[in-house]
Amino acid sequence: KAGVTQTPRYLIKTRGQQVTLSCSPISGHRSVSWYQQTPGQGLQFLFEYFSETQRNKGNFPGRFSGRQFSNSRSEMNVSTLELGDSALYLCASSLGLAEGYYQETQYFGPGTRLLVL
Amino acid sequence: QKEVEQNSGPLSVPEGAIASLNCTYSDRGSQSFFWYRQYSGKSPELIMFIYSNGDKEDGRFTAQLNKASQYVSLLIRDSQPSDSATYLCAGGGYSGGGADGLTFGKGTHLIIQP
Repeated sequence: KAGVTQTPRYLIKTRGQQVTLSCSPISGHRSVSWYQQTPGQGLQFLFEYFSETQRNKGNFPGRFSGRQFSNSRSEMNVSTLELGDSALYLCASSLGLAEGYYQETQYFGPGTRLLVL
Repeated sequence: QKEVEQNSGPLSVPEGAIASLNCTYSDRGSQSFFWYRQYSGKSPELIMFIYSNGDKEDGRFTAQLNKASQYVSLLIRDSQPSDSATYLCAGGGYSGGGADGLTFGKGTHLIIQP
C-alpha cells in the first residue's frame, strides 16, 4: 500500500506571498493532520481534517488554513508568508474512525520543506 | 497547556547495549503515546504505540507507560548504529469532536557508537 505523499517536496517563497501544499493520505485513511516542524519549536499540530471538515485546530494564526476534498486529499495554505514560516510541513494520515477513546496511529508523509526569503 | 518533555541529548550508547529513552507528559487526559524515529532530513517514522500501563514489546523495542507518574519510556535492546536518530515521544487524546493533535516532545538525539 502506498504511503502518504506530499507535493511539492521543496519550495522557496518570499515574504508576503502565499503558498499551497498538498497531501494525499494512505488509501482508506480518512483523517489528515498537518504539523509544522522547526528546530526551535519542534513538531507542532496545525489542524486535522476528517470527512472534509476541520475537526481540530492547533494554536496557529488564521494565515494558516486548510481543506479536505471528498477523496480525502488535503491542502494547506499559508497566506502573507513571514520569515518564521520557514519550516518542514508534515502531513499525517490515519484511519479516522471518529469514535473512540484513543488517538489513532498517524503515519507521516515525507514533508514539504518551505523556505521563506 | 499540554507538554511533553524529553532530554534533548545527545545520548551516546555503545553498540550492542540497551538504549533507554524517557519522556514525561503534563496532560492527564492523554491516553495514547507514540514513539517516532526521525533520521536527519527525513520525516518521523512510527516505532511503537502504547495505551495501557505496563510494558509493550516489539522485537528489540520495549515501550513502558506509567500513567500515575505520567512517564513513558522506550528501551532499545542490542542497539545498532542504524538506530542512531532523533526519537520523538508524542501523546494524544480524544476530546469530544475528534482526535486531538499529537503533542510532541522535542526529541532525544541518540548516537550508537560502533
